[in-house]
Amino acid sequence: DVKVTQSSRYLVKRTGEKVFLECVQDMDHENMFWYRQDPGLGLRLIYFSYDVKMKEKGDIPEGYSVSREKKERFSLILESASTNQTSMYLCASSLARSSSGVGYNEQFFGPGTRLTVL
Amino acid sequence: AQTVTQSQPEMSVQEAETVTLSCTYDTSESDYYLFWYKQPPSRQMILVIRQEAYKQQNATENRFSVNFQKAAKSFSLKISDSQLGDAAMYFCAYRRQGAQKLVFGQGTRLTINP
Repeated sequence: DVKVTQSSRYLVKRTGEKVFLECVQDMDHENMFWYRQDPGLGLRLIYFSYDVKMKEKGDIPEGYSVSREKKERFSLILESASTNQTSMYLCASSLARSSSGVGYNEQFFGPGTRLTVL
Repeated sequence: AQTVTQSQPEMSVQEAETVTLSCTYDTSESDYYLFWYKQPPSRQMILVIRQEAYKQQNATENRFSVNFQKAAKSFSLKISDSQLGDAAMYFCAYRRQGAQKLVFGQGTRLTINP
């Protein structure tokens, strides 16, 4: 079974702090994603990475950065946390191509980190 | 840009009955995938069912089936014989062929009444 783990289920930080959210997957997936989930807005993509040291901005990258030094690990960084970054953060991973070559590649999600910025 | 809309923030159904969750999407692409994901309370999001746009036949997975209307850009999820374990947030999602990222709808919270 694919396993995607996130370093914390709940996190409370102060405004202005630097925050690191860690995600690890154990299935050798090329792609990794960070989403934030807010009521009424669904999931929105912050950043994704398709290879080590490679990244691409998603729909809402402002105020965030990412790091992928190893294939299995993808970190989301809030350089200076603000109250409007209080949210649920979900990590996901997927193969770049399906094993069948059809092109479908399921995204597997972690349990999420609920971040509160005070 | 592609958008996905779920117009029902909340739905409820009696146990053992059937419920349909709605989803519409907007795209100019002809090749894409559509998904329904389930997020149980305090548990990880899991894939329920997927549909390839080039397939006319509606996807089915046990009690879960979809009604895919490509021309109308509609992709609804039907849950038959609802069970208490079906209670969750359900998200509709879209992915363009060749792209890696998913575009999600706002979600529908489904409650199952015993």
